[in-house]
Amino acid sequence: ETGVTQTPRHLVMGMTNKKSLKCEQHLGHNAMYWYKQSAKKPLELMFVYNFKEQTENNSVPSRFSPECPNSSHLFLHLHTLQPEDSALYLCASSQDPGGGVVSTDTQYFGPGTRLTVL
Amino acid sequence: DAKTTQPPSMDCAEGRAANLPCNHSTISGNEYVYWYRQIHSQGPQYIIHGLKNNETNEMASLIITEDRKSSTLILPHATLRDTAVYYCIVRVASDSWGKLQFGAGTQVVVTP
Repeated sequence: ETGVTQTPRHLVMGMTNKKSLKCEQHLGHNAMYWYKQSAKKPLELMFVYNFKEQTENNSVPSRFSPECPNSSHLFLHLHTLQPEDSALYLCASSQDPGGGVVSTDTQYFGPGTRLTVL
Repeated sequence: DAKTTQPPSMDCAEGRAANLPCNHSTISGNEYVYWYRQIHSQGPQYIIHGLKNNETNEMASLIITEDRKSSTLILPHATLRDTAVYYCIVRVASDSWGKLQFGAGTQVVVTP
C-alpha cells in the first residue's frame, strides 16, 4: 500500500532535539490522523484533522505539535521529548463526507515512523 | 462507546480457514463493526466492515449475529502472510470524525 507515505521510517533523537515527522497521502482524502503505538500497547489516537482543521486532540502533551498545511500533508513536530515517547508513530487518512454525518469511511495507514528518544 | 472482546491469540494451520471471534455486546444500532490487521512493525490494514448483514470481499468474510452482539471474521484459506494482530473495532457513532479505538486484538499465527 503506497497511498500513505511517512518519512523518515526510523528516527533516533536526543531529548533536546527538535525533529519533524512527515506524512503524505495520495488518495485524495480530506481527513488525516496521527496515532501512537508504544510497545505492547494498543494504538492510541493523538490528533485528527478534517478539511485541514484540527478536530481532535486526545490530551497529547504540548511537546507534540501537529501541522496540516493542506489536505495531503500532515506533520508532527517533536520538541524536548522523553524516552517514554519512543514508539511507532502512524499516520492515516480517510474520506469524510462532512456535516457531522457518521460515515463508513475506512482509514488507510502509512508504514509508520519508528522513533527512539535517547 | 461499545467495547470489544477478542481472544489474545490463536493458531491456524496454513490452508485452513481461520475463524476469529469478537464480542461487542454493548454495540449501538448505528455502530459498524470494523476489522483491521497489523503485520509486525507495519501500519494497520483495513480488512472489512459491516453493520448487520454478512459481508464478503477478496480478503475475508464477516459474519454478524442477528442480535449484533458478536461477529466472526473468516479468512477462508490462511497463508503464512496472514500472520498478524487482528483488531475488531466498533466504530464510534457520535459527531466525531472517523475515530477508531483499537484494543489489544488477537495475535494470529499461521503455521505451515
